[in-house]
Amino acid sequence: EVQLVESGGGLVQPGRSLRLSCAASGFTFDDYAMHWVRQAPGKGLEWVSGISWNSGSIGYADSVKGRFTISRDNAKNSLYLQMNSLRAEDTALYYCAKTPSSSWYRDWFDPWGQGTLVTVSS
Amino acid sequence: QSVLTQPPSASGTPGQRVTISCSGSSSNIGSNTVNWYQQLPGTAPKLLIYSNNQRPSGVPDRFSGSKSGTSASLAISGLQSEDEADYYCAAWDDSLNGQWVFGGGTKLTVL
Repeated sequence: EVQLVESGGGLVQPGRSLRLSCAASGFTFDDYAMHWVRQAPGKGLEWVSGISWNSGSIGYADSVKGRFTISRDNAKNSLYLQMNSLRAEDTALYYCAKTPSSSWYRDWFDPWGQGTLVTVSS
Repeated sequence: QSVLTQPPSASGTPGQRVTISCSGSSSNIGSNTVNWYQQLPGTAPKLLIYSNNQRPSGVPDRFSGSKSGTSASLAISGLQSEDEADYYCAAWDDSLNGQWVFGGGTKLTVL
């Protein structure tokens, strides 16, 4: 069974940094592209970033470009999101999601993890 | 303001058929496939429809998707109480170096 477990969320002050992790199991991690998608409290879904199977292709939403960095460690079956210069509007539940192919710019997100909550507040 | 436009709410009675629309543009729905996600209260989103009209294994055939031009629709027939959830459409957008875009979501209430 495919499992995605996010961690690393918490309360952080504006301007500070946080690193999220997503531990993957139940599939050959290095065959598939991965994504981060977030959901602000009471709001809709927003794609954050995607990464190809070998980290050779990466994309970001305009809202996080230059501040967030996605990465993966295929040896550890893990996906990461380094979030710098955090703002109040980055407060959200952050989900990691798998794609059915090696590219992040096609297909769909399935499955999703349960999410990790990031709260940016002073 | 979401790139894809969905009605904020929809409702129906058990057994009814309801549809949820998703409107986009030539750079997203007009040139790429549409996916739909269901988010039950307090849970993570789940893939409901992919590639416009394909159902993943385990999704009842009461759920169907379609696409025409720059719009897409999700139809739910034989509405059941457990269908009460938020529904989101999503598509790849070719503009601005490419990004994934979502609709704002539609909250479906089963009366």
